[in-house]
Amino acid sequence: GAVVSQHPSRVICKSGTSVKIECRSLDFQATTMFWYRQFPKQSLMLMATSNEGSKATYEQGVEKDKFLINHASLTLSTLTVTSAHPEDSSFYICSASGPPQETQYFGPGTRLLVL
Amino acid sequence: DAKTTQPPSMDCAEGRAANLPCNHSTISGNEYVYWYRQIHSQGPQYIIHGLKNNETNEMASLIITEDRKSSTLILPHATLRDTAVYYCIEKFNNAGNMLTFGGGTRLMVKP
Repeated sequence: GAVVSQHPSRVICKSGTSVKIECRSLDFQATTMFWYRQFPKQSLMLMATSNEGSKATYEQGVEKDKFLINHASLTLSTLTVTSAHPEDSSFYICSASGPPQETQYFGPGTRLLVL
Repeated sequence: DAKTTQPPSMDCAEGRAANLPCNHSTISGNEYVYWYRQIHSQGPQYIIHGLKNNETNEMASLIITEDRKSSTLILPHATLRDTAVYYCIEKFNNAGNMLTFGGGTRLMVKP
């Protein structure tokens, strides 16, 4: 159990366009979902935390108007990178947790390349 | 900042036990010790977690010292597929509590 999927697994887009990444918990209800970013040779950095039905909480330095997060149901959260630029190229990873253990399970990640 | 400290890298021979240490000397009473691993270009994989008792599952064993200031993750028979970065993380088990990833230990399993 505890499977989290992400779609797409990789995406290439032009600078200035927007990209949407989906994160789904397949076999449990995720009351909380997290979005992380990982640059090459670095560790994961938390971008934001979202609870189902409420606004996301963003970490310091993460622009909420650029990284739009929606957590409309207990199994789906989306991250939209708006007006993407080459510096947004990174590995984006979501995780999901739910009661009772609140263990976070991670998706396989989405590799974004902005040209 | 991550509150745990781990050696940056370790080697292990295939088929032997891999013992990965972690120091968490400032852990509070209600914080669990979680272990994840990240194989290259994949999302982190949950391994095991514990509060104060030793834990074992199909992947690994977790040994936590009595004072809870350190722990050891044991992979009993390491295989080449266990080559990954292993992260030891403190976390409260409340809804919404985040994971803070440090540098982890890069485990290289060699034939």
